[in-house]
Amino acid sequence: GQNIDQPTEMTATEGAIVQINCTYQTSGFNGLFWYQQHAGEAPTFLSYNVLDGLEEKGRFSSFLSRSKGYSYLLLKELQMKDSASYLCAVLDSNYQLIWGAGTKLIIKP
Amino acid sequence: GAVVSQHPSWVICKSGTSVKIECRSLDFQATTMFWYRQFPKQSLMLMATSNEGSKATYEQGVEKDKFLINHASLTLSTLTVTSAHPEDSSFYICSAKGGGEDTGELFFGEGSRLTVL
Repeated sequence: GQNIDQPTEMTATEGAIVQINCTYQTSGFNGLFWYQQHAGEAPTFLSYNVLDGLEEKGRFSSFLSRSKGYSYLLLKELQMKDSASYLCAVLDSNYQLIWGAGTKLIIKP
Repeated sequence: GAVVSQHPSWVICKSGTSVKIECRSLDFQATTMFWYRQFPKQSLMLMATSNEGSKATYEQGVEKDKFLINHASLTLSTLTVTSAHPEDSSFYICSAKGGGEDTGELFFGEGSRLTVL
C-alpha cells in the first residue's frame, strides 16, 4: 500500500531551528511537496522536490533522498506565525497526490 | 502564482437543504480539480477527483449522490452537498492542477466552511 509518515506534533522555540521529517512508500514517485496550513485556512505551497538534495528558499529548506524514501522540511529562525500544520505529499506514478496526516508545529516564545 | 477562488467562504444552512460550493481557476485552465473535506485538527481527506467533461472519481466511502460534483468547464468545478445534515458540517477545500508547466503542484482555494443547523 501507499504510506506517508510524519510526526503528529512537534514543539520548538521562537528563533530556533526545527526539522520535520517525512518518509514515504508509494507506487512510483514524481515529486514530493510540502504545504503549510494554518488552522481554518487552506494549505499553501512551500516546496517541491523531485531530485535528491537540498532546496533552500529563505527560512525554509526542503531535502529529498529518493533512495531512502525520505524528505525533511527545515525551518530556521522560527517565528510565532510559523505555528501551523505542515503537510507532506508525494506525487505517485499516476500523478495522484498521496497526503501525509500533517505535523502540527507549536512555537513557544 | 496561479489563483483558485472558492465561494462561498462561509455558509450556514438548515438541515435538509442543499448547498453548492464553487471552485474557479482564475488565470489558468484546470483540467483536474480535487475536492477535500477537513475535520477540525485533522488532515485533508480527498473526497473526489474531478476531470473536465467527465464524471468525477469518488474516493471509497464518499457518497456520490450526497456530494454531487460537476466540472463543466476548464475553469469551474462545483460541489453540491444535497440534503445536508449536521454531520456534513465541515471545511470543504478544492484544489486545481495546472498553471503552466505541470509539475503536479496543486493550487488551493480558500476553503468553504459549512455549518448545517
